[in-house]
Amino acid sequence: TQLLEQSPQFLSIQEGENLTVYCNSSSVFSSLQWYRQEPGEGPVLLVTVVTGGEVKKLKRLTFQFGDARKDSSLHITAAQPGDTGLYLCAGVRGSSNTGKLIFGQGTTLQVKP
Amino acid sequence: GAVVSQHPSWVICKSGTSVKIECRSLDFQATTMFWYRQFPKQSLMLMATSNEGSKATYEQGVEKDKFLINHASLTLSTLTVTSAHPEDSSFYICSARDHFRSTTGELFFGEGSRLTVL
Repeated sequence: TQLLEQSPQFLSIQEGENLTVYCNSSSVFSSLQWYRQEPGEGPVLLVTVVTGGEVKKLKRLTFQFGDARKDSSLHITAAQPGDTGLYLCAGVRGSSNTGKLIFGQGTTLQVKP
Repeated sequence: GAVVSQHPSWVICKSGTSVKIECRSLDFQATTMFWYRQFPKQSLMLMATSNEGSKATYEQGVEKDKFLINHASLTLSTLTVTSAHPEDSSFYICSARDHFRSTTGELFFGEGSRLTVL
């Protein structure tokens, strides 16, 4: 059973389009993170959301944490080819300081010029 | 952010040999490190939690005798794939948490190690 359901798993769009990636769970997380991974490299942290209902913006990326802290979304406005990559949501089970980080299935995004 | 370095970045070995992968936290002390495995176009699967000075905690389904983890110091954890076989070929990634810089659970990842077993 996947603890974090991420969707869609694959997305291919044209440059300039908008997109949203969803991360859903039946469990409550103390915090949730979004990472981006390039092929052959380790994931790089984009953002951490902690408070229910929290919205964070990182240039053209908008991250939202659900009110109940069970789900999150990543919205990209006017996608660019440089946004291509694997996007991973991850939630902390247990204490923020010692808990495991559990990943969703990932969303492979391809932005065509 | 905190820096985690992994070595080697890639390794090719013959079936039956053992391979050691090192993970170092360069600018912070990590009492806990995590080892993940990743197959092509898939997400990260947690293999084990590496605790400094004690035995690693393995996830269900991960063979302890196959994947030996040692966390001898606050800045170094090693993963040894023993008697490697082609099915062990994968991308292995370590990560660590810097408790002083973050209290919300983020992990900092190494660059990953691509293992190919012939």
